[in-house]
Amino acid sequence: QQPVQSPQAVILREGEDAVINCSSSKALYSVHWYRQKHGEAPVFLMILLKGGEQKGHDKISASFNEKKQQSSLYLTASQLSYSGTYFCGTAGGGGSNYKLTFGKGTLLTVNP
Amino acid sequence: NAGVTQTPKFRVLKTGQSMTLLCAQDMNHEYMYWYRQDPGMGLRLIHYSVGEGTTAKGEVPDGYNVSRLKKQNFLLGLESAAPSQTSVYFCASSYELTTAIYFGEGSWLTVV
Repeated sequence: QQPVQSPQAVILREGEDAVINCSSSKALYSVHWYRQKHGEAPVFLMILLKGGEQKGHDKISASFNEKKQQSSLYLTASQLSYSGTYFCGTAGGGGSNYKLTFGKGTLLTVNP
Repeated sequence: NAGVTQTPKFRVLKTGQSMTLLCAQDMNHEYMYWYRQDPGMGLRLIHYSVGEGTTAKGEVPDGYNVSRLKKQNFLLGLESAAPSQTSVYFCASSYELTTAIYFGEGSWLTVV
């Protein structure tokens, strides 16, 4: 079952902040975040694991609330290069541990 | 540094024809995946493999078959193409489920 992402789309001005949320109806073992530019392949951003700490690099960070089965991606002081579609991918525990299912994506547009 | 290579990049098929998409990775990854991407639907898992000689169904496996005879290759077959299979297909691989997934550049398939 696909995780649910919100919002579906967001428009920012350069320098503004954004938060993208990802939630699942099942227990999660890991959450992945990827960014895809138009016509290109998705590119890995980060992974958060059950029991792990909040991750981040540069001005993009993410958190993982295991109890609520939710993850959030934080983009601060956005740059034009942040534009693209962001996908979260989730993997559950037990028998479903081997497959990663993605949400429908959040389209982020950063304008000058 | 080839990474994940998909062939062909573009293909037009007539309804009822069959074809095979080839995915090759040179990173010695155990896990390999086939996703399809349609507008507004995100990335949906078709089939995946957790090692040489293994395959498993994903979210949308109907109409597709896969094989992983060699660790570095993962083939996706369309037995009898239908217009509903018009999509962009992405192959991906990872060392483990809790490590980054690397995507190929995509294969654009149109069924007329």
